Amino acid sequence: EAQVTQNPRYLITVTGKKLTVTCSQNMNHEYMSWYRQDPGLGLRQIYYSMNVEVTDKGDVPEGYKVSRKEKRNFPLILESPSPNQTSLYFCASSPTAGTSRRWETQYFGPGTRLLVL
Amino acid sequence: QKEVEQNSGPLSVPEGAIASLNCTYSDRGSQSFFWYRQYSGKSPELIMFIYSNGDKEDGRFTAQLNKASQYVSLLIRDSQPSDSATYLCAVMPPNAGKSTFGDGTTLTVKP
Repeated sequence: EAQVTQNPRYLITVTGKKLTVTCSQNMNHEYMSWYRQDPGLGLRQIYYSMNVEVTDKGDVPEGYKVSRKEKRNFPLILESPSPNQTSLYFCASSPTAGTSRRWETQYFGPGTRLLVL
Repeated sequence: QKEVEQNSGPLSVPEGAIASLNCTYSDRGSQSFFWYRQYSGKSPELIMFIYSNGDKEDGRFTAQLNKASQYVSLLIRDSQPSDSATYLCAVMPPNAGKSTFGDGTTLTVKP
């Protein structure tokens, strides 16, 4: 079954304690992306990756790091979490076939709800 | 001015009616446009992708893109209660993976 998985699904942590949210896809997709969603707001992109070892900033990258060492995984790292990073996080993936139509297929993970105290 | 703006909701339509959702964007270089549906407590789901001016139809959904006027709309014909959700508009520049979303419009279809 084609899917994007995220772990953990729920996390409560304290300010300053480093954490990693994992994202994995089993579709051999080149493109992966992280978003956060806050109440009343749409998604805001944190980082994205067009392929292995290629990452770039989205609209709200401050306080986050990512890595893309292999195609299937795209972990999101919060080195020193703060309460303003309390949010719902989504990971997504798409194939990239070199044409505009590549974006027709997108898969989202189930989300990770993070609370930073 | 926000980069991507959607008509403020909530929007309520009776069952069987046409629901019209609108989205305007500020970056004239935007080339790819998306509509997502998000049920409460669930992940977003891509329902329409469009990159050429004009209409694109998929079942009861029609996306309309007008790059000159910088808007993209989503029409839902014969609306059903199961269409009740938040609809998110997003735009992307050419050949890039960066995407910008609107705040979403919540649609309620009343039986």
